[in-house]
Amino acid sequence: NAGVTQTPKFQVLKTGQSMTLQCAQDMNHNSMYWYRQDPGMGLRLIYYSASEGTTDKGEVPNGYNVSRLNKREFSLRLESAAPSQTSVYFCASSESAVGYTFGSGTRLTVV
Amino acid sequence: RKEVEQDPGPFNVPEGATVAFNCTYSNSASQSFFWYRQDCRKEPKLLMSVYSSGNEDGRFTAQLNRASQYISLLIRDSKLSDSATYLCVVNKWGAGNMLTFGGGTRLMVKP
Repeated sequence: NAGVTQTPKFQVLKTGQSMTLQCAQDMNHNSMYWYRQDPGMGLRLIYYSASEGTTDKGEVPNGYNVSRLNKREFSLRLESAAPSQTSVYFCASSESAVGYTFGSGTRLTVV
Repeated sequence: RKEVEQDPGPFNVPEGATVAFNCTYSNSASQSFFWYRQDCRKEPKLLMSVYSSGNEDGRFTAQLNRASQYISLLIRDSKLSDSATYLCVVNKWGAGNMLTFGGGTRLMVKP
């Protein structure tokens, strides 16, 4: 049972480059989320999708876009990467507030 | 002020010690509470939910004080394998399945 799969695991970008982080879950969950984690800041919600076809901004959406491609997949796009977006990104899915399942994370460095 | 505040630590304790972590939350509309565990360079995983009456899971005891907006986690007979970061997490009324994470408290259990 794969759970939540994120790709890539590591990425180095130059300032201004774009990239898409992929996330897929096989648990048939309705809700999916993208978080970033920075030292001392905890996990902060970037965007979420309560159900297929809907997306909403979280706490720190600036500089990001998302696509809920279908029930399984929720991608995060950086259109023009900035050094401030250097972080660890986690995708998660859930059917309720209890029992989030997280992916293993993407470590992104923007130089 | 952060919605969920934790002492970042680190808490350095010897094996077999009892250690307690505290967490305060600012939004009185919070309805559900959790402790997550995050190992170094890994994704967060649910440790336990926190119920109003307090609850225990083996060596772990979680308590909630709604009047003081305070959550605690007690670990008895600490093991080396308990070394991790413990995240305090809340879910607010009206927030659907969205969770707000504290910055985490780092625990290091020494031989």
